[in-house]
Amino acid sequence: NAGVMQNPRHLVRRRGQEARLRCSPMKGHSHVYWYRQLPEEGLKFMVYLQKENIIDESGMPKERFSAEFPKEGPSILRIQQVVRGDSAAYFCASSGGSDREYFGAGTRLSVL
Amino acid sequence: QKEVEQNSGPLSVPEGAIASLNCTYSDRGSQSFFWYRQYSGKSPELIMFIYSNGDKEDGRFTAQLNKASQYVSLLIRDSQPSDSATYLCAVNRPAGGTSYGKLTFGQGTILTVHP
Repeated sequence: NAGVMQNPRHLVRRRGQEARLRCSPMKGHSHVYWYRQLPEEGLKFMVYLQKENIIDESGMPKERFSAEFPKEGPSILRIQQVVRGDSAAYFCASSGGSDREYFGAGTRLSVL
Repeated sequence: QKEVEQNSGPLSVPEGAIASLNCTYSDRGSQSFFWYRQYSGKSPELIMFIYSNGDKEDGRFTAQLNKASQYVSLLIRDSQPSDSATYLCAVNRPAGGTSYGKLTFGQGTILTVHP
């Protein structure tokens, strides 16, 4: 499967725990984007990364959220001390050499 | 004013009809325009992209762009029940000195095609 791979597909956390969401871009792609889709809301941009660099994090909440895309391995979106309002679908997209972005299946985060 | 606005819907059309989905955007710096289809509980799927004024056709889909009016549309001909989904309009504005950037999405239009 050469598509964008996200894991886990479903993640349940209790308030105050940490959530780690992983994304492996499509083969040959070096640009990764994270989006959040809250219930009944549209997709919102969070962060745009290339290998070892954050290009645009204008959509990231200032606290508790961080993202990385290391030289080796998948991109990670980390949410510390989760709250109920963090419950959402988190989508990763990738692109390579163009502005066309292809989405992974998403991670559904539920905070109890 | 929202950056990207879509006709609110939901839109219901009979099978075989033309479905027309509309989108306006506020940022004149936007350079690339996309339509994604999202089935309930699934991820967005890229179905059309357009960069230049005019029409672009791909099978039953036609995207139309008018930069002067800041308007993008998607026409689906011979609509099928399998086209029932949420359609998301997205625009891209270059960032960081590159030709890439974040996508800004509209709220989506729910389309139902009934037999």
